[in-house]
Amino acid sequence: GDSVTQMEGPVTLSEEAFLTINCTYTATGYPSLFWYVQYPGEGLQLLLKATKADDKGSNKGFEATYRKETTSFHLEKGSVQVSDSAVYFCALSDSGGSYIPTFGRGTSLIVHP
Amino acid sequence: EAEVAQSPRYKITEKSQAVAFWCDPISGHATLYWYRQILGQGPELLVQFQDESVVDDSQLPKDRFSAERLKGVDSTLKIQPAELGDSAMYLCASSPSGTGNTEAFFGQGTRLTVV
Repeated sequence: GDSVTQMEGPVTLSEEAFLTINCTYTATGYPSLFWYVQYPGEGLQLLLKATKADDKGSNKGFEATYRKETTSFHLEKGSVQVSDSAVYFCALSDSGGSYIPTFGRGTSLIVHP
Repeated sequence: EAEVAQSPRYKITEKSQAVAFWCDPISGHATLYWYRQILGQGPELLVQFQDESVVDDSQLPKDRFSAERLKGVDSTLKIQPAELGDSAMYLCASSPSGTGNTEAFFGQGTRLTVV
């Protein structure tokens, strides 16, 4: 079945550092890929998405490129801020999985001033 | 901006009691999901509705959990009897249609604590 694997956290960075959170996936069809962010005590918010191979999703300085050849969708940001501290979830939605959004375990990001 | 509404935000209940959660999706969204999120983990699907019909409830513990969406709009998730292991965040999400390209929009969740 479909699955998403994320790097384990927490990821701890200083403000203005470069961020990478790795995400790889397994899918039977041609999935759409998403990154969601969750702040403490809140629900999930969509951060960015990509619907086909080689697409790049971007939002608020975050980027991720849909790499079909490596089945990856790594999240990057050039300069993180304290306000980026949150949990980040990689997810996919796949025709082979009846389009039900499937999530990774999440990666906690802590940014220090 | 339209939002998915959930209530209550927090619920504390004793084990063996019944508990219910309510969700009102974004207007016009045909697809509704209930997820359970255990602390430190990603959301796991419990049930998916398309309008008033259940599309997938394969991961719903049907001996104690039930879900309904009678008029294809708002939805209720019930647990009876609650067990200690049910303590988690219960998230409701909606989507215009279950076709994959469109993201799911999440509510703020209900934090359940079973004591």
